Amino acid sequence: QSALTQPASVSGSPGQSITISCTGTSSDVGSYNIVSWYQQLPGEAPKLMIYEASKRPSGVSSRFSGSKSGNTASLTISGLQAEDEADYYCCSYGDNFVFGTGTKVTVL
Amino acid sequence: EVQLVESGGGLVKPGGSLRLSCAASGFTFSSYSLNWVRQAPGKGLEWVSSISWSRGDKYYADSVKGRFTISRDNAKNSLYLQMNSLRAEDTAIYYCARERVTMVQETLSPSFFDSWGQGTLVTVSS
Repeated sequence: QSALTQPASVSGSPGQSITISCTGTSSDVGSYNIVSWYQQLPGEAPKLMIYEASKRPSGVSSRFSGSKSGNTASLTISGLQAEDEADYYCCSYGDNFVFGTGTKVTVL
Repeated sequence: EVQLVESGGGLVKPGGSLRLSCAASGFTFSSYSLNWVRQAPGKGLEWVSSISWSRGDKYYADSVKGRFTISRDNAKNSLYLQMNSLRAEDTAIYYCARERVTMVQETLSPSFFDSWGQGTLVTVSS
């Protein structure tokens, strides 16, 4: 399985909304709603932000939302804050788990 | 509180071996499938291996198949990764992660990772 495709970087000003895309195939992202998103702050372990494409775990800010259409999933961060500056990874499951290439979010 | 604590990382020469451990607490260990995920320096996340909660079925990424062996000891609440024939490209932080499932067409499917350890660094270098 090849890594899912994400943009290398996305940036935005505080208060703005940004969207990160995650493109796979009909065998992984496109098959079922098995897409999750992880936030990784510098020097820390990944943290689950979205699961089953659009569900938010308890404790995750409502500014984070997920969606999926066909073979592409998306993570939207609304009301961008300085603390959102991190790397973000999508993940899906086909034959096995596969991660996205990762996106660095910069708050201008 | 769910806790996963990895140990066993270190510096090893190419061709050498290392055994990683992950000690779990705060949940019923035997009821969850567990995974190893790694991250090379400055690179992205890569799934390495998983072991199921029920029958202990084991799965591996092609990059480690035949060299790495995942195992678990439910009595000790511990997950392991035996790494043999190590290569420079195996240099990475290795995380253990608890897997959750999703119902898909009346079948439970692996779905996401809801808890992660802090990771242990493995460096393969001469």
